[in-house]
Amino acid sequence: RKEVEQDPGPFNVPEGATVAFNCTYSNSASQSFFWYRQDCRKEPKLLMSVYSSGNEDGRFTAQLNRASQYISLLIRDSKLSDSATYLCVVNGGNTPLVFGKGTRLSVIA
Amino acid sequence: ETGVTQSPTHLIKTRGQQVTLRCSSQSGHNTVSWYQQALGQGPQFIFQYYREEENGRGNFPPRFSGLQFPNYSSELNVNALELDDSALYLCASSLGTGVLPYEQYFGPGTRLTVT
Repeated sequence: RKEVEQDPGPFNVPEGATVAFNCTYSNSASQSFFWYRQDCRKEPKLLMSVYSSGNEDGRFTAQLNRASQYISLLIRDSKLSDSATYLCVVNGGNTPLVFGKGTRLSVIA
Repeated sequence: ETGVTQSPTHLIKTRGQQVTLRCSSQSGHNTVSWYQQALGQGPQFIFQYYREEENGRGNFPPRFSGLQFPNYSSELNVNALELDDSALYLCASSLGTGVLPYEQYFGPGTRLTVT
């Protein structure tokens, strides 16, 4: 089982839609969780950290379920500029950060 | 912008050659991590440096080596290049050791092509 698994993409959604990404992780000792955004041929950029209580930043909401080892990212009112690959990131046992393969989102006008 | 810089931007090398990639961390950050990102994959952790010492290593062979300097900038060296080493190499800086992984900020990457 891979350490971090994400929904396979791509997700093609119309502008204004709500879209949710899911991610599961295998290391129950993981302590820190993040969502990064990566535009085509660019570096990953931190979108938000994920806390146990859940957290929201504008149109973005992240949730963590430690019991199920599950992380989610919800994007409301999608914009064209949200088109990117979204990477689920977890701190691993032997490595500081373990990245999922990413889920590609295309928001269509 | 994160303030993390990498050089060169692009590089083409031949199989068997050696390459050195460079990274300057964000001001105030003492930890640098290196990642390899193959096409269509997420970044894979290579190793991390904290205060000039290697502080964790991923599943990469010894021909991948690194250094961190007193100003916290870093180098990644790859010997005996193989075709599969073609990838985007990302450097990320953070404040901390990575044991409690602080948020990491990435540089723009170096795209290495091995022919």
